[in-house]
Amino acid sequence: DVKVTQSSRYLVKRTGEKVFLECVQDMDHENMFWYRQDPGLGLRLIYFSYDVKMKEKGDIPEGYSVSREKKERFSLILESASTNQTSMYLCASSLQVAFPNTDTQYFGPGTRLTVL
Amino acid sequence: AQTVTQSQPEMSVQEAETVTLSCTYDTSESDYYLFWYKQPPSRQMILVIRQEAYKQQNATENRFSVNFQKAAKSFSLKISDSQLGDAAMYFCAYPGLKGGSEKLVFGKGTKLTVNP
Repeated sequence: DVKVTQSSRYLVKRTGEKVFLECVQDMDHENMFWYRQDPGLGLRLIYFSYDVKMKEKGDIPEGYSVSREKKERFSLILESASTNQTSMYLCASSLQVAFPNTDTQYFGPGTRLTVL
Repeated sequence: AQTVTQSQPEMSVQEAETVTLSCTYDTSESDYYLFWYKQPPSRQMILVIRQEAYKQQNATENRFSVNFQKAAKSFSLKISDSQLGDAAMYFCAYPGLKGGSEKLVFGKGTKLTVNP
């Protein structure tokens, strides 16, 4: 079974702090994703990566950056946390397949981040 | 831009009854997949079922089935013989095609309550 793990289930940070959210997958997937989940808004894509050191902006990249130095690990960075970044953050991974996109995304358990 | 619409923010069903969750999407593509994901309370999001757009036959996975109407761009999920464990947020998803990327566009979700 694919396993996607996230470094923390719950995290509390202060405004202005630099925050790192880590995600690791163990199935050699090429694609990795970071989503933000807010009530009434569903899941919104922040960034995704289709290969090591490769990244693309999603729908809401402002205030975030990412790093993918190794295939299995994808980090989300909040350079200077703000209260409006309080949310649930979900990581996911999937295989790289040809068009059309057919592959399932596998999700981590999520990190609930509170910024005070 | 591709959009996915779930018009029912909340639904409830009696145990052992059948419930249908609706989803519509917007696309100009002809060949694609559609997905339903389930997110139980405090648990990881998992794939429930997926549908291939070029297949006439509706996908089925045990008690879960879809009613796929390609011309109407409708993709509803039917849960038969509902069980307490079916209580969850359900998200419909469509691959947002942007230069061949594999990102998914999610609806805002439907919260399903199963009453004993």
